[in-house]
Amino acid sequence: DIHLTQSPSFLSASVGDRVTITCRASQDISKYLAWYQQRPGKAPKLLIYGASTLQNGVPSRFSGSGSETEFTLTIGGLQPEDFATYYCQQFNSYPLFGGGTKVEIK
Amino acid sequence: QVHLQESGPGLVKPWETLSLTCTVSNASMRSQYWSWFRQPAGKGLEWLGRIYSTGNTNYNASIKSRVVMSVDKSKNQFSLELRSVIAADTAVYYCARGVFWSAGVHFDNWGQGILVIVSS
Repeated sequence: DIHLTQSPSFLSASVGDRVTITCRASQDISKYLAWYQQRPGKAPKLLIYGASTLQNGVPSRFSGSGSETEFTLTIGGLQPEDFATYYCQQFNSYPLFGGGTKVEIK
Repeated sequence: QVHLQESGPGLVKPWETLSLTCTVSNASMRSQYWSWFRQPAGKGLEWLGRIYSTGNTNYNASIKSRVVMSVDKSKNQFSLELRSVIAADTAVYYCARGVFWSAGVHFDNWGQGILVIVSS
């Protein structure tokens, strides 16, 4: 099975900061990686798929990059509504998520 | 705008069957891929399984012996049954639509989630 490791698990940042979250796959997954945002008490929301394609309606401050085993999600200028938990997800034989990165207000 | 809504009991007794339905609005279920997930309090997301509009299914190996998913295209609904539940099955359950992108799948529309507690 392919495993996903997110880092950091937790980060503290201020409004306006640029934030980068990393997701590492235990094997080459090409570009088959998606990113989700989950606010407390809410369902996950798709942000990016295909490692770098922004989902319709998602603000352009969100961007994704990477391929094979290393991927990043960058938020270019944190907004108050961005404080949430972020998950990466890969699809090999079945969908699997990383452990999550909680972004909190400093 | 595609809308998904979970429904079902919020409390299930141990060793009984958890039954949930997801109603899909503003989208055809044909030629689509539909999944169930769950999330225990304070923990991450777990994929439970998927069902295609044809009725073909795939399940997470961790629950394969206890789970059945079905689809009713005439009602625009798909369902989850999880048998012999235990306390560890307590979680928020989500339904979602899967979208193929090349050889990958991501989930673009989710229900709001339903909390199911397993307790006597």
